[in-house]
Amino acid sequence: EAGVAQSPRYKIIEKRQSVAFWCNPISGHATLYWYQQILGQGPKLLIQFQNNGVVDDSQLPKDRFSAERLKGVDSTLKIQPAKLEDSAVYLCASSLVGGAEETQYFGPGTRLLVL
Amino acid sequence: RKEVEQDPGPFNVPEGATVAFNCTYSNSASQSFFWYRQDCRKEPKLLMSVYSSGNEDGRFTAQLNRASQYISLLIRDSKLSDSATYLCVVTRSSASKIIFGSGTRLSIRP
Repeated sequence: EAGVAQSPRYKIIEKRQSVAFWCNPISGHATLYWYQQILGQGPKLLIQFQNNGVVDDSQLPKDRFSAERLKGVDSTLKIQPAKLEDSAVYLCASSLVGGAEETQYFGPGTRLLVL
Repeated sequence: RKEVEQDPGPFNVPEGATVAFNCTYSNSASQSFFWYRQDCRKEPKLLMSVYSSGNEDGRFTAQLNRASQYISLLIRDSKLSDSATYLCVVTRSSASKIIFGSGTRLSIRP
């Protein structure tokens, strides 16, 4: 069974530029998560989708971050404009239905460096 | 105060030793608890869920203490391959909250 796919794996941009990340969850998983993991910290949930609807985006900095999951499968996360403090690994995860007790399966992440 | 707190370590123990670490959480409405393992520059992977009655998987034992609001992970007969960061995860479905701790680094030496 294919895992969660993410691209690109690495991205280097200058501050104030825009960047987008893509995620393809495990087939059949209704719930998709985007996390930000800053070096030395645990992952922080940015947004959770159930199919193509948003369940929780309380920690998404909406002035610069946006995410969509239009057809309830793939998702993109965009940062515009990027700041130095956005340097982090952006992890996408999916789970079957999104229950609190469910296992989340993570993709390999996208490492973003903002100069 | 963070909602989920872990001792960052590092815990540096010899191969074959037993090591244990805790994770405390502040919200009594927390419902589900997990330990994830994250190798250096890799993604987190589920190690085990933590049940109210405690659970064991081979050399790993997880326990939940709701009264004191912490979970624990015990690793017996540690192997070099156990070297990783162990992340505590707490969820509350009522608020759709998923919170990771900052992780405890474990290093097993030969």
